[in-house]
Amino acid sequence: KAGVTQTPRYLIKTRGQQVTLSCSPISGHRSVSWYQQTPGQGLQFLFEYFSETQRNKGNFPGRFSGRQFSNSRSEMNVSTLELGDSALYLCASRLTGGGGEKLFFGSGTQLSVL
Amino acid sequence: DQQVKQNSPSLSVQEGRISILNCDYTNSMFDYFLWYKKYPAEGPTFLISISSIKDKNEDGRFTVFLNKSAKHLSLHIVPSQPGDSAVYFCAASVASGGSYIPTFGRGTSLIVHP
Repeated sequence: KAGVTQTPRYLIKTRGQQVTLSCSPISGHRSVSWYQQTPGQGLQFLFEYFSETQRNKGNFPGRFSGRQFSNSRSEMNVSTLELGDSALYLCASRLTGGGGEKLFFGSGTQLSVL
Repeated sequence: DQQVKQNSPSLSVQEGRISILNCDYTNSMFDYFLWYKKYPAEGPTFLISISSIKDKNEDGRFTVFLNKSAKHLSLHIVPSQPGDSAVYFCAASVASGGSYIPTFGRGTSLIVHP
């Protein structure tokens, strides 16, 4: 089974631009979550999608948005980029999101905002 | 306000010895606790988990202990191997919006010396 695939791996943008990141979950997984990892803050939860609906949202500004398609693939968008948005963005999938169900992470997209 | 805390940013251990990674939490409603391991340039991978109704779970060289009264859990690795050198994240999850969303600690960097 193929793992979680994130594209692109690296991205360089300038302040004020917008960016779209893509995530393909493991086949059969319907829950897709996004996390932001920065050196000082660890992994911060952005949002979770399940069956094309946002089921949970973390404490991030509205500039961060996402969506999920009928094939469970997900995209994350950040508009009006700020220097502080520079981070590793991780996507994770799991079957449904229940109980102690583990997350399967992609390798991430390293975003640098100049 | 950190709900999951890993107070040791780093830990150095000799090969063959025990590694003990600690994690404290504040929310008594957490139902599940999970540990993830992360190598550079890769996404985190699941290591081991424990339900709040248990106090110990073992998987090979890895054992997780949960002390609910102290709101503390620990991961023991015995014996430690150089390949265990990675960043370890503790995560705790509680039901929200029909799903369980893990809250991550900031991670502990483990270095195992040959």
